[in-house]
Amino acid sequence: GAGVSQSPSNKVTEKGKDVELRCDPISGHTALYWYRQSLGQGLEFLIYFQGNSAPDKSGLPSDRFSAERTGGSVSTLTIQRTQQEDSAVYLCASSLVGGEGYNEQFFGPGTRLTVL
Amino acid sequence: KQEVTQIPAALSVPEGENLVLNCSFTDSAIYNLQWFRQDPGKGLTSLLLIQSSQREQTSGRLNASLDKSSGRSTLYIAASQPGDSATYLCAVRRWAGSYQLTFGKGTKLSVIP
Repeated sequence: GAGVSQSPSNKVTEKGKDVELRCDPISGHTALYWYRQSLGQGLEFLIYFQGNSAPDKSGLPSDRFSAERTGGSVSTLTIQRTQQEDSAVYLCASSLVGGEGYNEQFFGPGTRLTVL
Repeated sequence: KQEVTQIPAALSVPEGENLVLNCSFTDSAIYNLQWFRQDPGKGLTSLLLIQSSQREQTSGRLNASLDKSSGRSTLYIAASQPGDSATYLCAVRRWAGSYQLTFGKGTKLSVIP
């Protein structure tokens, strides 16, 4: 596609439920990133995928958060047993390459998650 | 730990004014700095990227400067228009091998017709 797409655009869930957020990166981009933007906060890095390498999960806030990337393309961010503090906009980005060099990140529109 | 601060948090100007948005960072050892625009309900759009060896970048009515030694960047918007209303974010990348961006909290700009 022309850009990074994310679904759903909005998700309202009850505390304790599991949610899955999806990201479709730009075709051909090998690197994929997840960020979280909480109200009044800057974007917070969550996880990074580069090709077939093991992902960098250093930004995940707890073991309730996990992500996978199938076939080096689509990624799913899963939050188990959601809490109210998980309410935020979750943004996905992709870049042509990761690691060294110029690797401008292109962002999707985000998924707004509200945990009641 | 790198911290990025953007001042002011919000700014309202009449249409046609020139304006400056500020970004400061605590660790001057950066690889590059990027300015983004975020519209409500939409993702981030990259505006300008300045490599650490550069002093400024220009795109249309936008000019971004970088003073790495003092840990500062400014985004200058000339002849502001209502369509410029958005939240502007700056982000720094620490080094060439690092892919993580550290973001400021943004400046919310409102351009009044």
